[in-house]
Order: sequence, then C-alpha cells, then structure tokens
Amino acid sequence: QKEVEQNSGPLSVPEGAIASLNCTYSDRGSQSFFWYRQYSGKSPELIMFIYSNGDKEDGRFTAQLNKASQYVSLLIRDSQPSDSATYLCAVNSGAGNEKLTFGTGTRLTIIP
Amino acid sequence: GAVVSQHPSWVICKSGTSVKIECRSLDFQATTMFWYRQFPKQSLMLMATSNEGSKATYEQGVEKDKFLINHASLTLSTLTVTSAHPEDSSFYICSARGLAGALRNEQFFGPGTRLTVL
Repeated sequence: QKEVEQNSGPLSVPEGAIASLNCTYSDRGSQSFFWYRQYSGKSPELIMFIYSNGDKEDGRFTAQLNKASQYVSLLIRDSQPSDSATYLCAVNSGAGNEKLTFGTGTRLTIIP
Repeated sequence: GAVVSQHPSWVICKSGTSVKIECRSLDFQATTMFWYRQFPKQSLMLMATSNEGSKATYEQGVEKDKFLINHASLTLSTLTVTSAHPEDSSFYICSARGLAGALRNEQFFGPGTRLTVL
C-alpha cells in the first residue's frame, strides 16, 4: 500500500512568520512530488512540484525534497491570512504510472 | 492556459436517479483524465483513470457499474453516477493531463461538482 502521510493539524502560524508543512511517503521509488492548496469547498490548485533532491523556490514558497529520508516539505515565508487553507501533498511513482497519491492534508491557519 | 471545467458545479437529486458530470479540458488536449471523490474533511481519493478511446481503469473498491466513465474525445470525459444514494453524496473532482511537455507533467484540476443525494 503506497502511502503519503501528513500531520492533519490544524497548524496555526502568526502572520509574517514561516509556515512549515511536512509530508512523508512510503514508496521509495516515487519520482515526482507535488504540493496543492485547497480552500474550503474548492478544488486543489497546484503550488509547486519538485523532482530532485534539495530545495526549489518560487516566490514565498520553497519545496524541499529528501529522497533518502522519504520526506518532502513546503515552507511558506511571510505568511499571509490568504494562505489559510488545507495543503495537500501528492506523490507520483513515475515509471509510467500517472496516478497521484494524496496525503490527508494539513490545515493551516494564519493568525493576523 | 490549461483550464479544466466541470459541469454542473452542484447537483441535488433524489435517491435512485442517475447523475452525469462532465469534465472538459478547454484549451488543451487531455490524453488522460482522472476522477476523484472527496468526502468532508478527507483527502482526494482516486476513483478511476480514463484514457481517450479506451475503458477506464478503476481503483480497488470502486464499482465500475455504478460509476460509469466515458472518455470519448481528447477534451471530454463524463462520470455517471447510476442509481445514486445518499452515501454517494460527495465532492467529485476531475483532473486532466496533457499530451506533451509541461502539460504532461502535472494534473490540472477542474473546479469540482458537489453532489447531494436526498
């Protein structure tokens, strides 16, 4: 059973601080890793994807991947109230497998 | 670019009726479309993967005779919930994956369809 695990939260972070979201996965062969943001009642929207070990930055967001430890994280700098949402980690095992396995999501609340 | 639409956005129906949900890729061709279901406060659960012109591949535990999927063109897939019951009430979300390049690297999600079965 391929699993993706996240702390369900809720995670509360003061406005302007750094929010750190973590995700672990069980399939060591996983190749692609995605972070989605989902507002209540809406469908997920892609924030970032990462394929290689290390950090990938996009604006206020940084994804970090460590394949040896099988974890991927998302850092949100200068957190804003509009960042309050559920963040879903998704993993694709590659090798022709197109399916994404989603974690249960972490609910993030930015406190003004 | 890479916009996916769903119709309807919400539907309320009586128990025992069938409901069809459409998923369209508006500005790209989608070789593969995925159908997910999301219950309140839970994550997305993949129901099935459909490729244009071929039968859908259903995930374990998903009844293929109850959830009929048709992917007749590169821009349209439909999900029909047959003989819907209250336990089928959920948020149904489709996603589409493109043919090549950047469009092939990620799934683009539709806005979702909220189904309520009375």
